[in-house]
Amino acid sequence: DAGVTQSPTHLIKTRGQQVTLRCSPKSGHDTVSWYQQALGQGPQFIFQYYEEEERQRGNFPDRFSGHQFPNYSSELNVNALLLGDSALYLCASSLGQGGNTIYFGEGSWLTVV
Amino acid sequence: GQQVMQIPQYQHVQEGEDFTTYCNSSTTLSNIQWYKQRPGGHPVFLIQLVKSGEVKKQKRLTFQFGEAKKNSSLHITATQTTDVGTYFCARGTYKYIFGTGTRLKVLA
Repeated sequence: DAGVTQSPTHLIKTRGQQVTLRCSPKSGHDTVSWYQQALGQGPQFIFQYYEEEERQRGNFPDRFSGHQFPNYSSELNVNALLLGDSALYLCASSLGQGGNTIYFGEGSWLTVV
Repeated sequence: GQQVMQIPQYQHVQEGEDFTTYCNSSTTLSNIQWYKQRPGGHPVFLIQLVKSGEVKKQKRLTFQFGEAKKNSSLHITATQTTDVGTYFCARGTYKYIFGTGTRLKVLA
């Protein structure tokens, strides 16, 4: 029973570039949420996908977008990268939209230079 | 508004000492969750509290939800080096708002 898997583990991008991060939820889970965790901070909610639609969104600009596929996997896209986008990007999966335990993946470390 | 504040920000204890972290909200919480994040790792769910005054135990960990459902605490009895990490509380149902975290160091 695979847990939440994310790729890539680490990546370095240049300011202005675009990045795509990928997430496969835990087996049996249908909901994927994305969080940004800056160094020394708590995770910040970006958005949640359920039934291939964005259901909830945090306080992040439109440069952050996502997608959920029929197999429940998800992508996070960030355009026009800024130095401040450097962070650990965490994917969390759950069964249903709310109230159930969420399981985090190991995260993708993004460094913008 | 929806912020959850955690204190202390950092805590260094000798192995065997107890440790407590507190989570406070200005508004009533429907529930509170606790997570542990080891250095370099990802947050791992520990527990969810829902009822006013609820107390739950997991071995050396005791979790409490305040009577007014505006605060919560995590207490670790006789800390071990394996307890090292950052402990976060989080509020919410569909989207979780995490506290600032308490970073625990245990000195052997």
